[in-house]
Amino acid sequence: GQSLEQPSEVTAVEGAIVQINCTYQTSGFYGLSWYQQHDGGAPTFLSYNGLDGLEETGRFSSFLSRSDSYGYLLLQELQMKDSASYFCAVRANTGKLIFGQGTTLQVKP
Amino acid sequence: ETGVTQTPRHLVMGMTNKKSLKCEQHLGHNAMYWYKQSAKKPLELMFVYNFKEQTENNSVPSRFSPECPNSSHLFLHLHTLQPEDSALYLCASSHARDSYEQYFGPGTRLTVT
Repeated sequence: GQSLEQPSEVTAVEGAIVQINCTYQTSGFYGLSWYQQHDGGAPTFLSYNGLDGLEETGRFSSFLSRSDSYGYLLLQELQMKDSASYFCAVRANTGKLIFGQGTTLQVKP
Repeated sequence: ETGVTQTPRHLVMGMTNKKSLKCEQHLGHNAMYWYKQSAKKPLELMFVYNFKEQTENNSVPSRFSPECPNSSHLFLHLHTLQPEDSALYLCASSHARDSYEQYFGPGTRLTVT
């Protein structure tokens, strides 16, 4: 089968750094994406890793290790507006995006 | 504003009703998708359309019937649904079928009574 594992909940304080991990088992792999979804809102694309290493976009960075079937999303200088659900998604050999269950991030003052 | 709109935003229907969900994208994309999002479960891909042609049906029951009249519009026709079909139905689009970046609409919150 195909599966993605990520923690269900993470809590952090404003200004802190938080890392959300994602491990995957898929029959094919063409890249790992991250999406953010605020309560009641639409998922929005954050980042993509097709190759090993770190991709940085402002306060957010994403990392991929294909040999470990592992990636993470790093959020720095946390703000209250970062409270949301974060989904990792693998583009598998079927061309489909397979999503994880999502990690709910709560940022506290 | 993501460029993908969905109507209605909320829908309550009985098990014997027939209703349709509508999705429109203003991004000039060629691929469109329907997803189901239930509480505590991953987004589930339902259907994929590429240049108006259905390329993926992810073992979805026949009570869900998609329609894609052109690359900008996507419908999901619903009939004789079950209470377990209550969920958020999300439409998405992307430039190409294999794009890793998809643009989502706000979703239709469906409740089946």
